Amino acid sequence: GAGVSQTPSNKVTEKGKYVELRCDPISGHTALYWYRQSLGQGPEFLIYFQGTGAADDSGLPNDRFFAVRPEGSVSTLKIQRTERGDSAVYLCASSSFLGGYSGANVLTFGAGSRLTVL
Amino acid sequence: DAKTTQPPSMDCAEGRAANLPCNHSTISGNEYVYWYRQIHSQGPQYIIHGLKNNETNEMASLIITEDRKSSTLILPHATLRDTAVYYCIVRGNTGTASKLTFGTGTRLQVTL
Repeated sequence: GAGVSQTPSNKVTEKGKYVELRCDPISGHTALYWYRQSLGQGPEFLIYFQGTGAADDSGLPNDRFFAVRPEGSVSTLKIQRTERGDSAVYLCASSSFLGGYSGANVLTFGAGSRLTVL
Repeated sequence: DAKTTQPPSMDCAEGRAANLPCNHSTISGNEYVYWYRQIHSQGPQYIIHGLKNNETNEMASLIITEDRKSSTLILPHATLRDTAVYYCIVRGNTGTASKLTFGTGTRLQVTL
């Protein structure tokens, strides 16, 4: 597609519920990233995929958070037993970086999914 | 990746140049300087990046000091639509996609 698409744009849920957030990256982009942004803060890295595999999941805050990218394109961020502290904007980005030391890695971000846990 | 320091906020009159500074005194030789901005309620948007030479594109210019310990993003003729949070990020070229680490950025307010 023309850009990174995230759905839903807004999600309100109750504490303890399960939530899935979807990201459709730019077609052909091999790398996909998830970030979380709280009010007044910069985006906080969660996880990134190179193809189907999670290359770096060091930012996932705990085992309630999980992400998949089964076919190397669309990704889903899954949050179990949501807590009020999970309320944030969840941002997805993709890039076409193919490896090597020759250049930079430019990420294109979606508009985000705003999650509110009541 | 090297840490960056930016002023929390700046003002600029519309039509004037906006010069946004960034300190990255611990930058190492293979680390690039990236600038992104985030307009309210949108995702971050890539602006420009550089290694050691000054760079210019249709959005902005990036001036990197000779010792690479600081840089300045220049918006030559700021408009109200340039009001946003601007992030300066330093990232090593590790040969893999890897992540960008955002700080809290500079909130630029462009006024009439």
